[in-house]
Amino acid sequence: EPEVTQTPSHQVTQMGQEVILRCVPISNHLYFYWYRQILGQKVEFLVSFYNNEISEKSEIFDDQFSVERPDGSNFTLKIRSTKLEDSAMYFCASRVYSSTEAFFGQGTRLTVV
Amino acid sequence: DQQVKQNSPSLSVQEGRISILNCDYTNSMFDYFLWYKKYPAEGPTFLISISSIKDKNEDGRFTVFLNKSAKHLSLHIVPSQPGDSAVYFCAASAIGAGSYQLTFGKGTKLSVIP
Repeated sequence: EPEVTQTPSHQVTQMGQEVILRCVPISNHLYFYWYRQILGQKVEFLVSFYNNEISEKSEIFDDQFSVERPDGSNFTLKIRSTKLEDSAMYFCASRVYSSTEAFFGQGTRLTVV
Repeated sequence: DQQVKQNSPSLSVQEGRISILNCDYTNSMFDYFLWYKKYPAEGPTFLISISSIKDKNEDGRFTVFLNKSAKHLSLHIVPSQPGDSAVYFCAASAIGAGSYQLTFGKGTKLSVIP
């Protein structure tokens, strides 16, 4: 069964460093998303991406964050200068044009120290 | 602000019995609702959804009920199995307003006791 894959599964970084989280969405999906879940809190929407541009973003997604689809298969989330409060589980998701259901990857646990 | 609320953090049910998970929402723009299941160290897995034009949707052991006037939905699992033990998230989107982003509740941890 096709699935969304994310790498790495766990990333530890020093505060102030840049990180790039990577995702390979399901191949025929056209809409891509990033969500995050801070420990003990709910899953929160960050950004959606369609046709090589951001279609929606939340207030969490400030200038420190950016997304890119560098090639036909990868979708990345970059955090330019990480803060302690960026520590969270980051989930990538994707969906087809004709469906409302988003399929999630297994997540990347980001730990900022 | 909690636009999607799951007021029960946990629920324990005997195997073979019915599990009922509840969800309330406050945003009148929400018109599509989804349930996701999540195991530890995995991402949320889509379970079942319902559009606001319906009041019930069934898929095997899983049924979702929507009461728009009460802004309430529930997920029924019958019969419950030990493998159903997981955290269940209710999520909503406002598709009619052009927004497909999902707003999640905090989740309910279901434990099915053999």
